[in-house]
Amino acid sequence: AQKITQTQPGMFVQEKEAVTLDCTYDTSDPSYGLFWYKQPSSGEMIFLIYQGSYDQQNATEGRYSLNFQKARKSANLVISASQLGDSAMYFCAMREVNTGFQKLVFGTGTRLLVSP
Amino acid sequence: DGGITQSPKYLFRKEGQNVTLSCEQNLNHDAMYWYRQDPGQGLRLIYYSQIVNDFQKGDIAEGYSVSREKKESFPLTVTSAQKNPTAFYLCASTIRATSTGELFFGEGSRLTVL
Repeated sequence: AQKITQTQPGMFVQEKEAVTLDCTYDTSDPSYGLFWYKQPSSGEMIFLIYQGSYDQQNATEGRYSLNFQKARKSANLVISASQLGDSAMYFCAMREVNTGFQKLVFGTGTRLLVSP
Repeated sequence: DGGITQSPKYLFRKEGQNVTLSCEQNLNHDAMYWYRQDPGQGLRLIYYSQIVNDFQKGDIAEGYSVSREKKESFPLTVTSAQKNPTAFYLCASTIRATSTGELFFGEGSRLTVL
């Protein structure tokens, strides 16, 4: 069964610094996708970035980048130049392509606090 | 604007009562999902629907029921059989169940059983 592990319950970073949120995964499916979502205190889940298992390059979206290390089964999210508005819960999720439908399995999340 | 609307945002229920959470989307997506979120845990899949008039159980379907009579709507009923219903419920959709794109989420409904 697929599994996502986020070992950092909470992280602190100062404004304008970079921060890395860890995510490791476990799957026997060679084809899969990895997602990161942000959940502010309001509750909605905001999609940040996606990495496919066959993508040759690490995904980037603005200040977000995904450090994908396939052999280590890790998909860490890097946020550059942190902003106060980045304070939120961050969830890593994985989708196995061969399940026939897009079921996402989520990690337990990391709470990020950005200080001035 | 296109999106997913969940209502109510907050709901209180007495033990033994059924309650229905609404989820409406105007994204023209085929697939819709219900997730449950508890403190300190990730999201867990309750039910999903790939197309109108079709739905399947997710990982924690016991005590819940759904319907999909219209493409836009996927209501979730939390029945009295659900032993621990207090949680945050999130509805999501994607263009097709087999698509590789991201899930779009609503703002959630927080259910508290008194």
